[in-house]
Amino acid sequence: EVQVVESGGALVQPGGSLRLSCAASGFTFSNYWMSWVRQAPGKGLEWVASIKLDGSEIYYGDSVKGRFTISRDNAKNSLFLQMNSLRVEDTAVYYCAKGGAHDSDSWGQGTLVTVSS
Amino acid sequence: DVVMTQSPLSLPVTLGQPASISCRSSQSLVHIDGNTYLNWFQQRPGQSPRRLIYQVSNRDSGVPDRFSGSGSGTDFTLKISGVEAEDVGVYFCMQGTYWPTFGQGTKVEIK
Repeated sequence: EVQVVESGGALVQPGGSLRLSCAASGFTFSNYWMSWVRQAPGKGLEWVASIKLDGSEIYYGDSVKGRFTISRDNAKNSLFLQMNSLRVEDTAVYYCAKGGAHDSDSWGQGTLVTVSS
Repeated sequence: DVVMTQSPLSLPVTLGQPASISCRSSQSLVHIDGNTYLNWFQQRPGQSPRRLIYQVSNRDSGVPDRFSGSGSGTDFTLKISGVEAEDVGVYFCMQGTYWPTFGQGTKVEIK
């Protein structure tokens, strides 16, 4: 069974940093693009970032470009999102998603990031 | 970015009756590889989104056959042939042909 489990969400002050992790199982992690998607409270969905199988291609949404860094460790079946210079508007549930733009099919339960003073 | 516009945003339905949700994109979703990357997701209350339909009309494994997707180009539709209680939630369309974007969501509730 495909599983992706996020962790690392927390309350952080504006300007602070946070690192999210995603542990994957039930599929060959190194064969898939992986992505992060977020959902602000009571709002819609926003695609944050995607990373290719071997990390050779990475894409970011305009709202996080230059502040967030997506990375992966295929040996540990893990995906990461380093978030710097956090803003109040980054407050959201962050989902780890198996796949990229064309083929994202399984999402985790999400981890809540709250940016507030 | 490609703008995805759903309608209606709220859909009260009687149990057993059909439901239909429309999704329109601001530009054609036909990719240069010939595929159309239009997905439908269901988000039940308190849960994460679950993909129901990919590439316009393909049901994901385990999705009941009362769910169907159709459309082409810029106009797409998700239909539920007979709504059941477990179908309550918010439905999102998502395009993956370009940088992924989502519709606003349609809240399906029982009358």
